[in-house]
Amino acid sequence: GESVGLHLPTLSVQEGDNSIINCAYSNSASDYFIWYKQESGKGPQFIIDIRSNMDKRQGQRVTVLLNKTVKHLSLQIAATQPGDSAVYFCAENGDYGQNFVFGPGTRLSVLP
Amino acid sequence: EPEVTQTPSHQVTQMGQEVILRCVPISNHLYFYWYRQILGQKVEFLVSFYNNEISEKSEIFDDQFSVERPDGSNFTLKIRSTKLEDSAMYFCASSLSRGGVYEQYFGPGTRLTVT
Repeated sequence: GESVGLHLPTLSVQEGDNSIINCAYSNSASDYFIWYKQESGKGPQFIIDIRSNMDKRQGQRVTVLLNKTVKHLSLQIAATQPGDSAVYFCAENGDYGQNFVFGPGTRLSVLP
Repeated sequence: EPEVTQTPSHQVTQMGQEVILRCVPISNHLYFYWYRQILGQKVEFLVSFYNNEISEKSEIFDDQFSVERPDGSNFTLKIRSTKLEDSAMYFCASSLSRGGVYEQYFGPGTRLTVT
């Protein structure tokens, strides 16, 4: 699992609690955002996306909130489970539509 | 469930050598991508590819890099003369469409070590 960062911000939550992971994006021209989950030794896995014409989108146990005014994105995970332990990245599409810019990532640790 | 595959999982090469990293995207996908992740750093976009040509590339993707879709299934990244700083995890991804959902499916990555 050396593909993920060694000095990432870490969020530790108790199993069953809700988790909130935050991301500040940089480009006001971005109109599409994705949250990815990266488990140790694996590639990023799509979790949920949101377009800039929305401020909230819900999936299964996950909710993404978008605040364009302050260029902030958050991922909420309900009833966090041990399998949610991973590094979470937000990504924005920037000026060119497909050149996704990834954030630095947050490591989520779920405590038993 | 269909998945993106990559080979090899780990490649060790000497500085100055050429390497080819291979990817098999999901079969009905039309857009293909390469990303890299240097140890301890974030995922960085390298290039996107559609209809047998590069559609976007980043500043990282200089003349030392090239991509190719040599047949109907493989998508390759070639680094012509590797440098120490090319050591990273390289991820291939593919997506079905561009105009709608951009959901990109990532492969497991190839760890490139340049010595």
